[in-house]
Amino acid sequence: GNSVTQMEGPVTLSEEAFLTINCTYTATGYPSLFWYVQYPGEGLQLLLKATKADDKGSNKGFEATYRKETTSFHLEKGSVQVSDSAVYFCALNDYKLSFGAGTTVTVRA
Amino acid sequence: DAGVTQSPTHLIKTRGQQVTLRCSPKSGHDTVSWYQQALGQGPQFIFQYYEEEERQRGNFPDRFSGHQFPNYSSELNVNALLLGDSALYLCASTINRGKNTEAFFGQGTRLTVV
Repeated sequence: GNSVTQMEGPVTLSEEAFLTINCTYTATGYPSLFWYVQYPGEGLQLLLKATKADDKGSNKGFEATYRKETTSFHLEKGSVQVSDSAVYFCALNDYKLSFGAGTTVTVRA
Repeated sequence: DAGVTQSPTHLIKTRGQQVTLRCSPKSGHDTVSWYQQALGQGPQFIFQYYEEEERQRGNFPDRFSGHQFPNYSSELNVNALLLGDSALYLCASTINRGKNTEAFFGQGTRLTVV
């Protein structure tokens, strides 16, 4: 079956630091890959997506590249802000979403 | 556009009781999926409804059932509640069942079973 494994948290960073959250997946087909974010007190919202191998998704300074050879979709941001504090979920979509356990990121001023 | 709306926002039930959660999809969306999110974990897929039929189902017992209405809204029913059913229940809607489409999530219903 399909599954997603993502880096365990929590992660605590200082403002302007570099953020990486690792995500690897197992899938029988050719899924699309997503990063969702859950800000405090809010629902899940899509951060970025990639629909095929070598695609790069990007949004709000975040990037992730669909790497089929390493079955990975790592999330990166070059300079985080306090407002990036949230829980980040990696997910694959093979006609239904399979999520990782989530990584809590806290950015200190 | 109201987005995906779920009701109620919070609910407390006793073991053995039955519960019904409701979801209205984003305008223009025809597919509704339900997820269970236990504390500190990622959402787990329960089932998906499209054209008023259950199209896919995750690894959940038959105590979990659902329905989709002609206006695309949906209900999740859970019978014989267990303490372990305590979780945040999320509804997500999409346009058709494609794997490339963005799922929009509601704020969820927090169910506590005591």
